[in-house]
Amino acid sequence: AQSVTQLGSHVSVSEGALVLLRCNYSSSVPPYLFWYVQYPNQGLQLLLKYTSAATLVKGINGFEAEFKKSETSFHLTKPSAHMSDAAEYFCAVSETDTGRRALTFGSGTRLQVQP
Amino acid sequence: DAGVTQSPTHLIKTRGQQVTLRCSPKSGHDTVSWYQQALGQGPQFIFQYYEEEERQRGNFPDRFSGHQFPNYSSELNVNALLLGDSALYLCASSLATSGTGELFFGEGSRLTVL
Repeated sequence: AQSVTQLGSHVSVSEGALVLLRCNYSSSVPPYLFWYVQYPNQGLQLLLKYTSAATLVKGINGFEAEFKKSETSFHLTKPSAHMSDAAEYFCAVSETDTGRRALTFGSGTRLQVQP
Repeated sequence: DAGVTQSPTHLIKTRGQQVTLRCSPKSGHDTVSWYQQALGQGPQFIFQYYEEEERQRGNFPDRFSGHQFPNYSSELNVNALLLGDSALYLCASSLATSGTGELFFGEGSRLTVL
């Protein structure tokens, strides 16, 4: 069975500050990990994914995440927050990396960016 | 190139009624998955359709059923609606044979059960 835990349902940062959103996973097999972003009244957009290649993954909008097997973590970071980054962020895990994957999502972290 | 489209965007039903939600996948995609997102929660996997058959299913009761048509579009049906079925229902499409393909999500259908 697979599961995802996102620590902190709400995170608030100042514009220009570091963004750190935490994600820990459990999986019975080597996992594939994803971060999605959801803006109000919209669907989910893929930010980045880890699929067993490089452990440091770069995504869109300046976000990156590092896969740490020893810590079972896949935290999302961005060096400098922008107002437009305010949204809900979801970490997800899958045990397959085909187009037929079924994702298990965390409960989400709402990022607030203060001017 | 149209992405994933879902209809209706919003609907209100009463307990005990039935609802049908529709999804058209992104052009070129052959697999459709449905997720339920309750308020303040992450999406939960309902089921996935490929080649017009249900291939995987999450922990949802039989009141939730679906269908995939030859053109790859899909429907989600929910019978005997409960208040707890109120949620955003997300459709995601993908290409089954893609080893690195991502899931593309629609904007969802927001169901309110009164």
